[in-house]
Amino acid sequence: DGGITQSPKYLFRKEGQNVTLSCEQNLNHDAMYWYRQDPGQGLRLIYYSQIVNDFQKGDIAEGYSVSREKKESFPLTVTSAQKNPTAFYLCASSPDRGNQPQHFGDGTRLSIL
Amino acid sequence: AQSVTQLDSQVPVFEEAPVELRCNYSSSVSVYLFWYVQYPNQGLQLLLKYLSGSTLVESINGFEAEFNKSQTSFHLRKPSVHISDTAEYFCAVSGPGGGSYIPTFGRGTSLIVHP
Repeated sequence: DGGITQSPKYLFRKEGQNVTLSCEQNLNHDAMYWYRQDPGQGLRLIYYSQIVNDFQKGDIAEGYSVSREKKESFPLTVTSAQKNPTAFYLCASSPDRGNQPQHFGDGTRLSIL
Repeated sequence: AQSVTQLDSQVPVFEEAPVELRCNYSSSVSVYLFWYVQYPNQGLQLLLKYLSGSTLVESINGFEAEFNKSQTSFHLRKPSVHISDTAEYFCAVSGPGGGSYIPTFGRGTSLIVHP
């Protein structure tokens, strides 16, 4: 079955450490997105990519970085510059820039040790 | 710019009772509207969508939503809820703003169904 795979499900980070969250999709979607979810705040867009080798900052990009070297993959790195990284991170994809809904992975929960 | 307001952060209801989850949006252009459901520790799943045509849209599990352009609303309703409907519900809007269709999400409504 086609879908989005996020790994790991749970991730722990030490202070000053960078960590990378994986997101892979086999839906042949052009666009991919990363969201951060905090209780009561809904989904906030971190980065998105509409085509390979191109990506754009979302509303809360500071302290994060991404790459899009392959259509199927859109990893997110949470850097040490992100001072409050504890959150639930969701990756999504959609067919194009049009009116199609997004498909979501099951998320990665990141916690600080 | 577009925005979404979900008026209730929590909606408690008894099993088999009707429920309405409210969503209002603001946008200066035509929009596409979505409702997603999220169960604990999972991603979001599409519940239903309005793109064009009939203003009343339905999902396969008994939910429905009505697009009301004059009131800029897209409220979600179900005539009789089940315990299994307990989840977080998100309303989202997208449209041709600024050359992209990046959706904007509301803050979510937690539906709590009591036996």
